[in-house]
Amino acid sequence: QKEVEQNSGPLSVPEGAIASLNCTYSDRGSQSFFWYRQYSGKSPELIMSIYSNGDKEDGRFTAQLNKASQYVSLLIRDSQPSDSATYLCAAPRGDSWGKLQFGAGTQVVVTP
Amino acid sequence: ETGVTQTPRHLVMGMTNKKSLKCEQHLGHNAMYWYKQSAKKPLELMFVYNFKEQTENNSVPSRFSPECPNSSHLFLHLHTLQPEDSALYLCASSQDLASGRLDYEQYFGPGTRLTVT
Repeated sequence: QKEVEQNSGPLSVPEGAIASLNCTYSDRGSQSFFWYRQYSGKSPELIMSIYSNGDKEDGRFTAQLNKASQYVSLLIRDSQPSDSATYLCAAPRGDSWGKLQFGAGTQVVVTP
Repeated sequence: ETGVTQTPRHLVMGMTNKKSLKCEQHLGHNAMYWYKQSAKKPLELMFVYNFKEQTENNSVPSRFSPECPNSSHLFLHLHTLQPEDSALYLCASSQDLASGRLDYEQYFGPGTRLTVT
C-alpha cells in the first residue's frame, strides 16, 4: 500500500482558472504536510507546509488539511503557464519525524 | 552562496569507477538527507543525518556510502555501481529532527544527474 497517494495527471487547467490537487496519506500519526513544485529537470522546491486542520493561504496557493479524512489538498488560483510543473505531496512517517514520504506527483499543465 | 549546493551537477561513470557526490548547505540546518529520484518513480529517501549522526539507512546497497563530517557537509561515495543506479541524486537539509517538532521543512539542492555506463 502506498503511503502517500496522488493522481498522476496530467491535470490540464486553462490559464486563469483554479487548479485543484489532492493527496491522501495512510499514516494517522503524520502531523506535518508539505507541497513541493518540481519543474522538469529541476529539483523540488518547497511551496507550502501545513500542520493544522483547515486552510492555509500563501499568495495564489492555498493548502487544505483534513486529518480525520487523511487528505491534504493544494489549490492554485489564477493559474499561470509558469505553474506548469509536477507537484509533490509529502508526509512524514508517523514514527520518524522529518523522514518524508513523497507521492508520485501530479503533473499540472496550464494552457494559455 | 545560499541554500543547498551540490557538485558535480552531472556525472558519468563506469561500473568500476569510484566517485563522490558533495552537498553543502548554508541554511544553518542540522539535518541532511540523500534522496534518489528515478524516472517515473517517487522520491526515495536513502540516508538521514541529524547532528552528523546517521539516523536512517533506508536499505540502501553498500555500494553507496554516505559521510557527514559536519552539519553543513554531506557526501555520497559511489563504487561499483550498476546501470540501474542511474538517477537524479538529491541532497536536502532541514532543522534538526527533535521530538515533537513540526517545522522541519526540507530544502533541496539542484541535484546530481548520474549516469552509470
